[in-house]
Amino acid sequence: EDQVTQSPEALRLQEGESSSLNCSYTVSGLRGLFWYRQDPGKGPEFLFTLYSAGEEKEKERLKATLTKKESFLHITAPKPEDSATYLCAVQAGSWGKLQFGAGTQVVVTP
Amino acid sequence: EAGVVQSPRYKIIEKKQPVAFWCNPISGHNTLYWYLQNLGQGPELLIRYENEEAVDDSQLPKDRFSAERLKGVDSTLKIQPAELGDSAVYLCASSLGQFSGANVLTFGAGSRLTVL
Repeated sequence: EDQVTQSPEALRLQEGESSSLNCSYTVSGLRGLFWYRQDPGKGPEFLFTLYSAGEEKEKERLKATLTKKESFLHITAPKPEDSATYLCAVQAGSWGKLQFGAGTQVVVTP
Repeated sequence: EAGVVQSPRYKIIEKKQPVAFWCNPISGHNTLYWYLQNLGQGPELLIRYENEEAVDDSQLPKDRFSAERLKGVDSTLKIQPAELGDSAVYLCASSLGQFSGANVLTFGAGSRLTVL
């Protein structure tokens, strides 16, 4: 059975304190790995898609990387506005079926 | 461009009552999804439509949940009768479709259901 596990469950950072979130997965036939950001009371917002091991993508202070078994979301010098829940999702097998992890709640304090 | 629109945003009902949620996807998006999100968890797929056809409803509890997507645009998700355990956020999402390449979903803000 496909599994997506995110760690840690919660992360509290000081402004400027860089850190990484982990998404480990066990799926057969990975088609893509997705990162979403979710603010309280809102739906998830797309950040990145990664397709193959070694691939990296960046957006402002966020950088996502992918290996054969896990993905990392690096947050460099975070600001309070980076506070959100970050969700990882994998697409494997049937097209269109995304399986989400439980998310990592990030709080960045000034 | 308008995003995915959902209504109502909030709904409080007594158990055993019916409830319905409505979703208007992004114009031109052929694929529509309904997800359920419990507090502290990631979204879980309930049903996926390709145009008007439900192509994946394996996770939809068909004894009490139903969905439709008439004319391949708007969609409605219904629960009848609602149970206490149905309290959750119901998210609608849409994407361009299978032949567009990347399967990037755009989500609505969700409908939060509380069953008392």
